[in-house]
Amino acid sequence: GAVVSQHPSRVICKSGTSVKIECRSLDFQATTMFWYRQFPKKSLMLMATSNEGSKATYEQGVEKDKFLINHASLTLSTLTVTSAHPEDSSFYICSAREAFGELFFGEGSRLTVL
Amino acid sequence: QKEVEQDPGPLSVPEGAIVSLNCTYSNSAFQYFMWYRQYSRKGPELLMYTYSSGNKEDGRFTAQVDKSSKYISLFIRDSQPSDSATYLCAMSVGAGSYQLTFGKGTKLSVIP
Repeated sequence: GAVVSQHPSRVICKSGTSVKIECRSLDFQATTMFWYRQFPKKSLMLMATSNEGSKATYEQGVEKDKFLINHASLTLSTLTVTSAHPEDSSFYICSAREAFGELFFGEGSRLTVL
Repeated sequence: QKEVEQDPGPLSVPEGAIVSLNCTYSNSAFQYFMWYRQYSRKGPELLMYTYSSGNKEDGRFTAQVDKSSKYISLFIRDSQPSDSATYLCAMSVGAGSYQLTFGKGTKLSVIP
C-alpha cells in the first residue's frame, strides 16, 4: 500500500536553531499534505494543510513564521521549525492523500529542543 | 465541552479478552468516523472507516456507530499482545474532508 515517509524520526537541537522535517509520499502523488503536532496524552492537532504549489493554510493559533511549510512537489512537503525553543519539543506527524483518497500518516518525528 | 471525548486509559486486559473502546462527540455534523491504531513512536494507521450508523466488521475488529447518541465504539475480539497500542477515534464532516477531529487516544495493553 501507499507509504508516507518522514525524516528525521528523531532530532535534538539547541534552542535558537532551526530544524527541517521532511515528509514524502513514496508511491503516490500527494495533492494535499497535512502537518500535525501531538503532545503526550493529547489529541493530534492539525497545524496546517499544504497543497502542492501553493501557500499552506494554517490553523488558528499556529504561527506561520515559526512553522514554515513548503510543498514544492507532489511527493515532498517540509516543515521547518524556526528559532526552536524547548516549548516546541513535540511529536510532529505528517499525512498525505491523493485527491479524495485515503489519508496515510508518516511515522512521525520527535523533536527535542534543549 | 470538547468536540470529541475519549478516555485516555490506560486500559489493561488479558490476552483473549474482548476490548471495548469508545468515543463520544458533540458535533452532529460529523458523518464519517474512523479508528486509528498508533504504536509507540509511530504514526497512526487507519483501522476502520465507517459512515452510517450500525456495525462494520473486519476480522477481529468491529466498529459501531450510534449517531442518535453521538457515540462510537471499537470492539476487538480475541485480543492479542500485538494489539497493544494507542487507539484514536477520528471523525469528519465530509468524506473528502481533511478536517479530521481526533480523540485523545486510549492506550491499550494486552497482557500475555
